Amino acid sequence: NAGVTQTPKFQVLKTGQSMTLQCAQDMNHEYMSWYRQDPGMGLRLIHYSVGAGITDQGEVPNGYNVSRSTTEDFPLRLLSAAPSQTSVYFCASSYSGTFGEQYFGPGTRLTVT
Amino acid sequence: KNQVEQSPQSLIILEGKNCTLQCNYTVSPFSNLRWYKQDTGRGPVSLTIMTFSENTKSNGRYTATLDADTKQSSLHITASQLSDSASYICVVSAQEGGGNKLTFGTGTQLKVEL
Repeated sequence: NAGVTQTPKFQVLKTGQSMTLQCAQDMNHEYMSWYRQDPGMGLRLIHYSVGAGITDQGEVPNGYNVSRSTTEDFPLRLLSAAPSQTSVYFCASSYSGTFGEQYFGPGTRLTVT
Repeated sequence: KNQVEQSPQSLIILEGKNCTLQCNYTVSPFSNLRWYKQDTGRGPVSLTIMTFSENTKSNGRYTATLDADTKQSSLHITASQLSDSASYICVVSAQEGGGNKLTFGTGTQLKVEL
């Protein structure tokens, strides 16, 4: 099992550009989520999904879109990148939603100039 | 507002020594408490998950304790190794709606030196 994979590992964008951060898991987990990690702050939830076709907003959803067409994939889209979105982004999945262990991907480090 | 505070912010110890990291929380209603290890440039990896009824849980050289009355947890690392150098994150889960809401601490950065 590859677990949770994320691509790309690093990305530099200019303000106003759009891009998609990819996340995939091969553990057949229904629950998937996206977090951002900023210096001096705990991980913050951006969006989450409890299954294919079902997504919902987390704590800091503005500027981000998600969709979930398959159990395996949960891409995160930045519509118009802003410097405030410079961060490290982690995708996570779980067998039992927020009750159980979260499995995190390796992260994508995004810089917006 | 749910909060998780960790101390110390950073810590340097010599290889082979023990150390204890602290986590205080104001999360309600409490569901469980987790400790994660995050190596530099990697995603967090779960060490332990403890529910209200558990006051100690071990994972190899890592032992977590929970005092639900005082809302405190600690992570004790025994006989530290260079590979223990990482950030240790305390996460407290609160019951909310049909699921749990996770509140993450900012982590304790541990460095183990020769």
